[in-house]
Amino acid sequence: RKEVEQDPGPFNVPEGATVAFNCTYSNSASQSFFWYRQDCRKEPKLLMSVYSSGNEDGRFTAQLNRASQYISLLIRDSKLSDSATYLCVVRSNDYKLSFGAGTTVTVRA
Amino acid sequence: DGGITQSPKYLFRKEGQNVTLSCEQNLNHDAMYWYRQDPGQGLRLIYYSQIVNDFQKGDIAEGYSVSREKKESFPLTVTSAQKNPTAFYLCASSIDLGRIGNGYGYTFGSGTRLTVV
Repeated sequence: RKEVEQDPGPFNVPEGATVAFNCTYSNSASQSFFWYRQDCRKEPKLLMSVYSSGNEDGRFTAQLNRASQYISLLIRDSKLSDSATYLCVVRSNDYKLSFGAGTTVTVRA
Repeated sequence: DGGITQSPKYLFRKEGQNVTLSCEQNLNHDAMYWYRQDPGQGLRLIYYSQIVNDFQKGDIAEGYSVSREKKESFPLTVTSAQKNPTAFYLCASSIDLGRIGNGYGYTFGSGTRLTVV
């Protein structure tokens, strides 16, 4: 079983829509959680950390469910510029981050 | 501006050839990492280093070698023993190994795309 699993999508949504997707992780001892954004053929960039109480950053909301071992990302009022692949990242031990394969979101005009 | 610089952006390797990918950072980060990314897969850790003159194997170290002679530099050599080297290689750094959680995350370089010809 992969350490981090994501629905690859793609999620095709119109501008202004809300889109949400989840990521599951296998290690119940995982301590830190992140969402990274990766544009086509570019490097990943940190979008936001995910905290136990849930957190927002503008139009982006991240949630953590430790009991069910998943994290989620919700994007409100989608913009064309939100089109990207979103990587779920989990800190599974003291030194390593484990990456999901990514969920692709395409926002259309 | 501080950041991580990877070079070259594109690299072509012939069968049986060793090639070296450069990674330089001026963020004063202690920890550095090499990952490879293949289509439809998550990033996989090749090697990491938490301090000068020390480095550890990651999950897929076979066919690769690294050095960490300076804090700023962490070059990766893809040897002829690596049978499937075509991939997107990403170098990353963090303040130290202990602070890749707590909101710090990684800073990535822009990557090197290696192709076997």
